[in-house]
Amino acid sequence: DVKVTQSSRYLVKRTGEKVFLECVQDMDHENMFWYRQDPGLGLRLIYFSYDVKMKEKGDIPEGYSVSREKKERFSLILESASTNQTSMYLCASSSPGQGGNEQFFGPGTRLTVL
Amino acid sequence: KNEVEQSPQNLTAQEGEFITINCSYSVGISALHWLQQHPGGGIVSLFMLSSGKKKHGRLIATINIQEKHSSLHITASHPRDSAVYICAAISGQLTFGSGTQLTVLP
Repeated sequence: DVKVTQSSRYLVKRTGEKVFLECVQDMDHENMFWYRQDPGLGLRLIYFSYDVKMKEKGDIPEGYSVSREKKERFSLILESASTNQTSMYLCASSSPGQGGNEQFFGPGTRLTVL
Repeated sequence: KNEVEQSPQNLTAQEGEFITINCSYSVGISALHWLQQHPGGGIVSLFMLSSGKKKHGRLIATINIQEKHSSLHITASHPRDSAVYICAAISGQLTFGSGTQLTVLP
C-alpha cells in the first residue's frame, strides 16, 4: 500500500514564526502536492512538484514556499506564519500512469496560528 | 478552469437507506476521483474512473462523460459510512468539489 506520512497531526505556532510541514511518501511517486482545506472552500492546491528540485505554484501559493530535495520528501514552508494560515494541510502523491493521476493522501496536519 | 459542483452539501440518512451523491464538472476530463474523508482529516481514495461504472462492496460509482456527470451510490448505508465525500475532476490537475457531508443515523 502507498503510504504518505506527515510530520505532525496537530501543530500550534505563533504569528511570525517560521513553520515547516514535512511530507514523505514511500512509493517512489514523481508527483507530490500540498493542499489546504478550509470549511466551505474545499481542498485548494498550494504548490506541487513533478520532480526533484522542481516546483510549480498552485491556486493559492501566496505566503508559502516549498522544497523538494529528495524524491520522497516534499516540504511546505510558511516563512512568517499568520492567523489566516490556520487550516488543515494535506499532502498527496501520485505517479503518472494508466488511468490518470490517482492521488494518495497523508493524514493531514491541523495547524493553528495564534 | 474546471468548475466542479457537488450535491447535496449535506445529507442525513437512516441506516439501510440507498444514498446518491452527485458531481458535475464543466470541461472535459481524463478521469474522475471519488474520495472519502473521515473525522480527523484522513482522506482515502475510493474510486478513479474514466467511463462506465465501478463497484467496491456497497459503493458504486458511475460516470457519464457526455453529460459531464458522476454519481456515487451507497447501498444499505451504515453509520460507519458517515464521512465527507469529495469528487475531483482530473484534467491535468485535480479540481475538487466542495464535498458532501453524509451522516447515517442508526
